[in-house]
Amino acid sequence: GQQVMQIPQYQHVQEGEDFTTYCNSSTTLSNIQWYKQRPGGHPVFLIQLVKSGEVKKQKRLTFQFGEAKKNSSLHITATQTTDVGTYFCAGLRYNSGGGADGLTFGKGTHLIIQP
Amino acid sequence: NAGVTQTPKFQVLKTGQSMTLQCAQDMNHNSMYWYRQDPGMGLRLIYYSASEGTTDKGEVPNGYNVSRLNKREFSLRLESAAPSQTSVYFCASSVVQGATYEQYFGPGTRLTVT
Repeated sequence: GQQVMQIPQYQHVQEGEDFTTYCNSSTTLSNIQWYKQRPGGHPVFLIQLVKSGEVKKQKRLTFQFGEAKKNSSLHITATQTTDVGTYFCAGLRYNSGGGADGLTFGKGTHLIIQP
Repeated sequence: NAGVTQTPKFQVLKTGQSMTLQCAQDMNHNSMYWYRQDPGMGLRLIYYSASEGTTDKGEVPNGYNVSRLNKREFSLRLESAAPSQTSVYFCASSVVQGATYEQYFGPGTRLTVT
């Protein structure tokens, strides 16, 4: 079945350093979503990328979707303590009948920031 | 507008006990989902409901049943809890199934089975 792999699993950075997490799919994705989960919280939607090669920015966050639509990345510039949490990528999950149902999530990257 | 609500927040069960996790959304969404989250495993889809009156299995449905009671409510039942079901359970909803719509998650239920 479809797999979405995410690296690294953990990333320690000093506050002010940059951070990048990478997501790779075993199959071509129709779109990719990114979520953030604060410690003890629930996943919160950040953004969705749909087009091949798409790049979107949200303040210090830059999201990219690969040309082949099989990989994506999230880059945070100059991390702040508020960026602490786990970042997940997710692609549409397809059932045995070929229909899209829920999401297949990567295992997430835990961002730990040292002041 | 409460979004997605879940009850209970915490629960401890003994092996073999049963319980129902409740989920409700007030956003008039058609699709609802149940995920479980285990350390190092990310979120895995248990069951989903594309619309009122329909339910389908996800990636890890064994040991669970669901009911889409109405458009607002989607419950998850553990008939005979096992320690392997110790997890954090998240309910989510979206406007429609799949496609390009974001999912909204509830606060989660932290379940321990001893």
